[in-house]
Amino acid sequence: DTEVTQTPKHLVMGMTNKKSLKCEQHMGHRAMYWYKQKAKKPPELMFVYSYEKLSINESVPSRFSPECPNSSLLNLHLHALQPEDSALYLCASSQEPGMSNQPQHFGDGTRLSIL
Amino acid sequence: AQSVTQLDSHVSVSEGTPVLLRCNYSSSYSPSLFWYVQHPNKGLQLLLKYTSAATLVKGINGFEAEFKKSETSFHLTKPSAHMSDAAEYFCVVAERGGSYIPTFGRGTSLIVHP
Repeated sequence: DTEVTQTPKHLVMGMTNKKSLKCEQHMGHRAMYWYKQKAKKPPELMFVYSYEKLSINESVPSRFSPECPNSSLLNLHLHALQPEDSALYLCASSQEPGMSNQPQHFGDGTRLSIL
Repeated sequence: AQSVTQLDSHVSVSEGTPVLLRCNYSSSYSPSLFWYVQHPNKGLQLLLKYTSAATLVKGINGFEAEFKKSETSFHLTKPSAHMSDAAEYFCVVAERGGSYIPTFGRGTSLIVHP
């Protein structure tokens, strides 16, 4: 069982829909990440939250909107997505921001399909 | 700047034979290095990590890796492959003193034949 929980596991949405992805961890980690992963590719970093504040945005289109309501929860709000946004979206956490020697803990992801 | 190169996109072995997945890194600072495994439709799971302690690192499921600074390598090995080892493996580098954001290799797909 993973310690980072992502819901839903699968999501199919049209290009005009609004939906949200949810990520939860109860390990007391203060850094949280969103990644996008296409098939047979490594994860691509989208956003980093440090102590509930957005610290890195890797030039992600505004149709993706992250939110960190508290230290355990991370959301990714989706609106007007494009077919090329279909991918596996992974959430990860690590103990402290800025500590390169700490591993990331990953959820199992949300498989997103855009019709 | 940091980068990581996984030299093989696919490695094919027979069950019971040794596994070698190769990784070379580049780093301007002292690196931390990680190997993660990803099974189909799953997230990434940490296999092992190097953070400047012992250069031979033992991980879960019988995997180990050796940090070789002179060769800038961090190859992953296992003495005997099991069918359940079939998965995608990622080598990851993160610099201490530089950007702490990890850089992922392209991944190596391990195929295990019965």
